[in-house]
Amino acid sequence: DAKTTQPPSMDCAEGRAANLPCNHSTISGNEYVYWYRQIHSQGPQYIIHGLKNNETNEMASLIITEDRKSSTLILPHATLRDTAVYYCIANAGGTSYGKLTFGQGTILTVHP
Amino acid sequence: GAVVSQHPSRVICKSGTSVKIECRSLDFQATTMFWYRQFPKQSLMLMATSNEGSKATYEQGVEKDKFLINHASLTLSTLTVTSAHPEDSSFYICSAEASTDTQYFGPGTRLTVL
Repeated sequence: DAKTTQPPSMDCAEGRAANLPCNHSTISGNEYVYWYRQIHSQGPQYIIHGLKNNETNEMASLIITEDRKSSTLILPHATLRDTAVYYCIANAGGTSYGKLTFGQGTILTVHP
Repeated sequence: GAVVSQHPSRVICKSGTSVKIECRSLDFQATTMFWYRQFPKQSLMLMATSNEGSKATYEQGVEKDKFLINHASLTLSTLTVTSAHPEDSSFYICSAEASTDTQYFGPGTRLTVL
């Protein structure tokens, strides 16, 4: 898996958009960008993933730069329940799939 | 959809005993499941890959005779920590690979070995 780099922590006001950046400058052409989050003492929760195009689902939007060297996870209207550690992971399919390498992630704190 | 459960959620055992943790995919079938371990204030570390009907593949440094994995069906994988010691106390998390090329994680099992 390509190495990913995320800021260790970020703050966001409740109701505002939270934009979480991730650098993956060595990502391979067949590696997807996955985002998970982990709320304290729980298992990670899948958020979204993408390859080249921007993606949106009911939880978040994923913006991937054209050169695929970085991406941004957007939580459009952050709530207190979005306080968690957010992990950005680059992972390919095939035999290497599944070996998700979790870094330290970004601790997002949403304030009232 | 894509729900993964684990049982038990918490377990306390005496040193030297064995503990079994179950991981189930509730609404999908999973040929492949994964077991992770997380120590306090650290990130998740993959322990092993569990494939239905075949032997598990262990990551470097993980003792296969200590952490026994069985994946007997497409919805159930078990992890047995044999002869547990206090240093095995940790948060054990499983995940299951869905057909959408995405892993879904269980809620985790907190193991405390006295």
